Amino acid sequence: EDQVTQSPEALRLQEGESSSLNCSYTVSGLRGLFWYRQDPGKGPEFLFTLYSAGEEKEKERLKATLTKKESFLHITAPKPEDSATYLCAVSLEYGNKLVFGAGTILRVKS
Amino acid sequence: DVKVTQSSRYLVKRTGEKVFLECVQDMDHENMFWYRQDPGLGLRLIYFSYDVKMKEKGDIPEGYSVSREKKERFSLILESASTNQTSMYLCASRAQVLQVDFGSGTRLTVV
Repeated sequence: EDQVTQSPEALRLQEGESSSLNCSYTVSGLRGLFWYRQDPGKGPEFLFTLYSAGEEKEKERLKATLTKKESFLHITAPKPEDSATYLCAVSLEYGNKLVFGAGTILRVKS
Repeated sequence: DVKVTQSSRYLVKRTGEKVFLECVQDMDHENMFWYRQDPGLGLRLIYFSYDVKMKEKGDIPEGYSVSREKKERFSLILESASTNQTSMYLCASRAQVLQVDFGSGTRLTVV
């Protein structure tokens, strides 16, 4: 069964305290992996796409990396405005569907 | 930028009512999706459509139907709303292998 698991479920950081979120996947064939940010009461906002192991993408304080079994979202020197739920999703080799993880709730305190 | 527009941000409906949730995208995407999102359960796919008049069931289609008469519009229909359908509903569209782009969501409460 295709599965995406995110850890931790929740993470509390002090402002400036760098950390990483994990997304591990067990799928029959990976076409792409996506990271989203979701603020309360809003739809998910696209952040990154990763297609192959070894690929990295960066945007401001965020950096996403991909291996053959997992992806990391690294947050460097986070600020309170980085507080959100971060979702990971994989696009399977066959079909049009995305399989989502349950998300990591990030809280950054000043 | 792709724009996915959901017609309502908040809806309150009564048990047994027929409910229509509307979604429009402006990028000529072939694929459109309806998800529901509940605390602790994440995003679950209800239905998706890969072309006009074409649809496939997702993981939780029971109690729902969909309509896609035009490429840009994808409607979710709750035939007879029940309290367990109280949820956040998210519409999304996608062009082939690219990312899914989401609308802002509709918070539906069934009383």
